[in-house]
Amino acid sequence: DGGITQSPKYLFRKEGQNVTLSCEQNLNHDAMYWYRQDPGQGLRLIYYSQIVNDFQKGDIAEGYSVSREKKESFPLTVTSAQKNPTAFYLCASSQAGGRTGELFFGEGSRLTVL
Amino acid sequence: RKEVEQDPGPFNVPEGATVAFNCTYSNSASQSFFWYRQDCRKEPKLLMSVYSSGNEDGRFTAQLNRASQYISLLIRDSKLSDSATYLCVVNTGFQKLVFGTGTRLLVSP
Repeated sequence: DGGITQSPKYLFRKEGQNVTLSCEQNLNHDAMYWYRQDPGQGLRLIYYSQIVNDFQKGDIAEGYSVSREKKESFPLTVTSAQKNPTAFYLCASSQAGGRTGELFFGEGSRLTVL
Repeated sequence: RKEVEQDPGPFNVPEGATVAFNCTYSNSASQSFFWYRQDCRKEPKLLMSVYSSGNEDGRFTAQLNRASQYISLLIRDSKLSDSATYLCVVNTGFQKLVFGTGTRLLVSP
């Protein structure tokens, strides 16, 4: 079955540690995205990539980094520089670079910083 | 002013009721509009796109009012399974999708 796989689903981290969230898709989509969702807030865009080896900052990129070495993979690293990393992280992909608005989401990764 | 605004709710309705949500957007150049559904602690999923002429999918009807800059979602004959958060999403151009905070719907027996 085609889809987006995020791992891990739940992650606990100590302050000061970097952590990498995995996102893999087999939908053959060119565009991939990382969003963050906090209670009572809409999804906020962290980074996005329209093509392999290229990515752009979203609205809240500070403290995060990404790579896009393969079409299928778009991992997100939450660095120790991120002031408030506890959140629900959602990876998404789309076929037409987001123009259609149809995003396919993974099940999310819930990060808790202790 | 937020780019996309929604009433957070919750909207509490009995089964069989008709309920409507609105969503306002600030950028008059916004190009396309969508409603997503998100179940508790799950990922959002596309419910329907919103076209200028309005569109209907079963019990769900979406409307766009460009003059007043809002979109609406109408749910008829509510089911228990409709309980979820409904996210308004606006494509403001340059491939940027802006999500509203969502409206929570609770349908009770």
